[in-house]
Amino acid sequence: GAVVSQHPSRVICKSGTSVKIECRSLDFQATTMFWYRQFPKQSLMLMATSNEGSKATYEQGVEKDKFLINHASLTLSTLTVTSAHPEDSSFYICSARQESSYEQYFGPGTRLTVT
Amino acid sequence: DAKTTQPPSMDCAEGRAANLPCNHSTISGNEYVYWYRQIHSQGPQYIIHGLKNNETNEMASLIITEDRKSSTLILPHATLRDTAVYYCIVRLPLNSGYSTLTFGKGTMLLVSP
Repeated sequence: GAVVSQHPSRVICKSGTSVKIECRSLDFQATTMFWYRQFPKQSLMLMATSNEGSKATYEQGVEKDKFLINHASLTLSTLTVTSAHPEDSSFYICSARQESSYEQYFGPGTRLTVT
Repeated sequence: DAKTTQPPSMDCAEGRAANLPCNHSTISGNEYVYWYRQIHSQGPQYIIHGLKNNETNEMASLIITEDRKSSTLILPHATLRDTAVYYCIVRLPLNSGYSTLTFGKGTMLLVSP
């Protein structure tokens, strides 16, 4: 089956620094990738939709200047949390939509802790 | 996309069938019912989906009522590894430009020995 990877799986950073999270579709091409955020004991919330070669579309309430998304190739999207603060600590999950089937596959998630 | 309603939690004994209900009374004629699950600290895992007919795969069975206003996910022989949050999601056809996955609160299924 289609596989999506994320790197790193876990990251701890200091407040004020930036963190980049990578999302890769390993065996299929994905024009569209999605970024979700999940706080403890809550459900996944869609943050943004990224399309290869164009600007990402952000959900209401998500700061596009704080959560920078780059989707430069058909297999890679990155999410950069700029000037991270403790309230940005969360579980970040990406998913990729396979072009041939339109099915959406999820990565294993990245646990971000900002101290 | 139509909204869904699920019980917040359910318990099941290992080896028994787990029946997880979902209400989606406002579902449209072309919307599919999808089920995902999320084991703690992992990404969501696809389980099964259907439109009108009942569906079965190696993981589970999906029973959709005739009026399509509700469905039940059945894990025929639950194991401890099936402990997870189960999400029932209604979505437009995949090739629709507006087909997205919107997660509700889901059902926390606890399988006990």
